This record gives sequence, structure tokens and C-alpha cells, in this order.
Amino acid sequence: DVKVTQSSRYLVKRTGEKVFLECVQDMDHENMFWYRQDPGLGLRLIYFSYDVKMKEKGDIPEGYSVSREKKERFSLILESASTNQTSMYLCASSAGTGFDSPLHFGNGTRLTVT
Amino acid sequence: QKEVEQDPGPLSVPEGAIVSLNCTYSNSAFQYFMWYRQYSRKGPELLMYTYSSGNKEDGRFTAQVDKSSKYISLFIRDSQPSDSATYLCAIPLNSGGSNYKLTFGKGTLLTVNP
Repeated sequence: DVKVTQSSRYLVKRTGEKVFLECVQDMDHENMFWYRQDPGLGLRLIYFSYDVKMKEKGDIPEGYSVSREKKERFSLILESASTNQTSMYLCASSAGTGFDSPLHFGNGTRLTVT
Repeated sequence: QKEVEQDPGPLSVPEGAIVSLNCTYSNSAFQYFMWYRQYSRKGPELLMYTYSSGNKEDGRFTAQVDKSSKYISLFIRDSQPSDSATYLCAIPLNSGGSNYKLTFGKGTLLTVNP
């Protein structure tokens, strides 16, 4: 069974702090994704990575960066956290890029920026 | 017009009821359609996917696509309390159906009462 593990379930940070959200998958998947999920807005793609050191912007990359130094690990970085980045952050991985290659999600990190 | 629209509900039904969950989409070129299920405090998981028009059945679940109306549905027969979750439709935005350009509906919260 695929396991996607996000390092923290809850995180509280102050405005202006640099924040790292970590995600690890154990199935040797090529592709990894970061989404945020907000009430009334649904799931929105921030970044995805299709290989080590490779990344592509999603729909809402502003204020975020990512790092993928190893295949199994994908980090989301908030360079200077702001209150509008308070959200549920979900990491996902997939073996392929076809529509029949499901995204396997972690259980999320709820980030609060005060 | 948003690419994918989904009624957020909530929807509350008695055990054993037939449930209908629906999404509309804007682009007639879309060909691939997915349903994800998200339990409380968990990440979404792929439930079913379909290609083009018609029905696809998997146990108590049936996914239906009506391309002429740009309407997709998920039916749950003999609903169980364990089906209580948020259901999200998802559509790849590119014609090839790649999963790195998924757009999700906002999700419908379903509660099945014993």
C-alpha cells in the first residue's frame, strides 16, 4: 500500500516566518504534488514535480517554493508566511501521469499563520 | 464560468438510500473524469475514473458521464454509514488526461444516517 507521510498534522507559525512542510512517499513514485484545500475553494494545485530537482508551477504558486532533492521527498516552503496562507496543505504522489494513475494523498498538514 | 462546478451540499440520507452526486463542467473537450472520496481528517483517495461517455460500475458505485449536457454523476446504491465522506469530482484540464493538471470540484459532503 502506498504511504504518503506528511511530517506534521498541525503547525502554528507567525507572520513572516519561513515555513517548511515535508512530505515523504514510500512507493518510488516519479511525481509528487502539493495542494492546498480551503472551504469554498476546494483543492488547488500549488506545485508539482515530475522528477528529482524538476518542478512545475500549479495554479497558485505565488508565495511558495518547493524542493525535491531526493525522489521520495518533496518539500513546500513558505518563504515569508502570511495569514492568507492559513490552510490545509495536502501532499500527493503518483506513479505515472495518465488519468488512470491515481494521486495518493497524505492526510494533510493544517497550517495556521498568526 | 468555472471549469468544474459541484454542489457542496451537505447531503444527508438514511441508510439504504440511493445517492446521486453531480458535477457540471464547461469544456466539451474534456474526456476523462474521476471521483475522489475524502473521509474526515484524511486525504482524498481515488474512487473511480471514466473515459468519455457512458456508465462505469464498481460494486455499489456507478459513475456516469453525459457529454451532451457536460454533466457527470456518481450514484451510490444501498448507501451505508461508512459512505459518509466528502466526494470530489476531478477532471484533467489537458486533452491527454494527464493527472498533473487536475481541476477538482469543491466537493459534496455526504452523511448517511443509520
